[in-house]
Order: sequence, then C-alpha cells, then structure tokens
Amino acid sequence: QKEVEQNSGPLSVPEGAIASLNCTYSDRVSQSFFWYRQYSGKSPELIMSIYSNGDKEDGRFTAQLNKASQYVSLLIRDSQPSDSATYLCAVNRENNDMRFGAGTRLTVKP
Amino acid sequence: KAGVTQTPRYLIKTRGQQVTLSCSPISGHRSVSWYQQTPGQGLQFLFEYFSETQRNKGNFPGRFSGRQFSNSRSEMNVSTLELGDSALYLCASSLAPGRNGELFFGEGSRLTVL
Repeated sequence: QKEVEQNSGPLSVPEGAIASLNCTYSDRVSQSFFWYRQYSGKSPELIMSIYSNGDKEDGRFTAQLNKASQYVSLLIRDSQPSDSATYLCAVNRENNDMRFGAGTRLTVKP
Repeated sequence: KAGVTQTPRYLIKTRGQQVTLSCSPISGHRSVSWYQQTPGQGLQFLFEYFSETQRNKGNFPGRFSGRQFSNSRSEMNVSTLELGDSALYLCASSLAPGRNGELFFGEGSRLTVL
C-alpha cells in the first residue's frame, strides 16, 4: 500500500463545474496535510493546508480532512481552464518528512 | 522577495560521473528539503536540513548526499551516477522544520544521465 494515494485521473470537468480530488494516507500519526498544484513544466506550489478535521475554505478551494478515515479531499468550485494542472496531495508525517501522492491531472474544458 | 533559486537548471552527465546541485532558499527560511521527481515514482523525499544539520533522510542510497551552509544555502551531491538518476531535483525551503510543512519549491534542476 502506498503511503499517499490519489485518484490516478486524468480528471476532466467542464468550465464552471466542481472538481473533486481525493487522497488517502496510510500513516495514522500524520499531522498536517497539503494540496500542491503543479503546472506542466513548473514546480509545485502550495494552494491549501489543513491540520484539523473538517473543512477549510479559501476562495474557490475547499479542503476537507477526516483523520478517522485517513482521507483528504480538495474541491474546486467554478473550475476555470487555468485550474488545469496536476494536483499533489502531501502528508507531513510525525518524523517530519513529507510524503506526496502521485498526483491527479485535472483538465478543465472551456 | 526572491524565491528559491536552484542551479544549474539543466545538466547532462554520463554514467559514473558525479553531480552537485545548489539551492538558495527564500531569505529568512532556514529549512531546506530536497526531492526527486520522476514520471514513474512521483515526488520522493531525499533529505531535509536545518541549521546545517540533516534532520531527516528518505530512502535513497548513500550515493545521494547533501549539506547546508551557515547562510542556509544547500547543496546535494550524487556520486557514481546511474541512468535511473535522471530526474527533476527539486529544492524546497520553509521557515523552520516542523509539522507545518509549508514548502516553497524552486524551479528544479533537471538531470539527464546518459
């Protein structure tokens, strides 16, 4: 079992729709959770962090965390073509090394 | 505020050679982490440095090493290069190590081993 697993994708949604990205992790002692966006040929950039159970909203982005289910998700509302990228789920383990999922490629079609 | 700077951006080496990559973190950031990114394995953690000390190391062979200087700049070295070392090497900085994990990545150094 991989430490951080994401939907393999690719995920395609029409412009204006909600894109839902999911992630599960295996290490129960993980403390902090992140979503990074990586455009093709670019480096990852942090878009959301979440540390406690529940929802965290930032503009069109909402991160959801359920530690009991070891599940993290990212919702992108009113998806735009500029949101087309690979989204990486990252989990910071207790021993302070970050583990990344393989990423989900999102395409938003105009 | 300048971002994370990595040099060189691109390099080509042959098997058996060694390579040194450099990373200058964001001003004021004292923690530097290194990652290897390949299409097959994704982003994999190499090591993390804080205050010139390696605090954590991923599951890579001893051919991969690094260090951090007093000004927080970091270098990583790969010796006896293998074809499988071809990858994008990313450096990330953060204010301090800890569970926050808010990393800021450089543009990366793309290494090709022939």
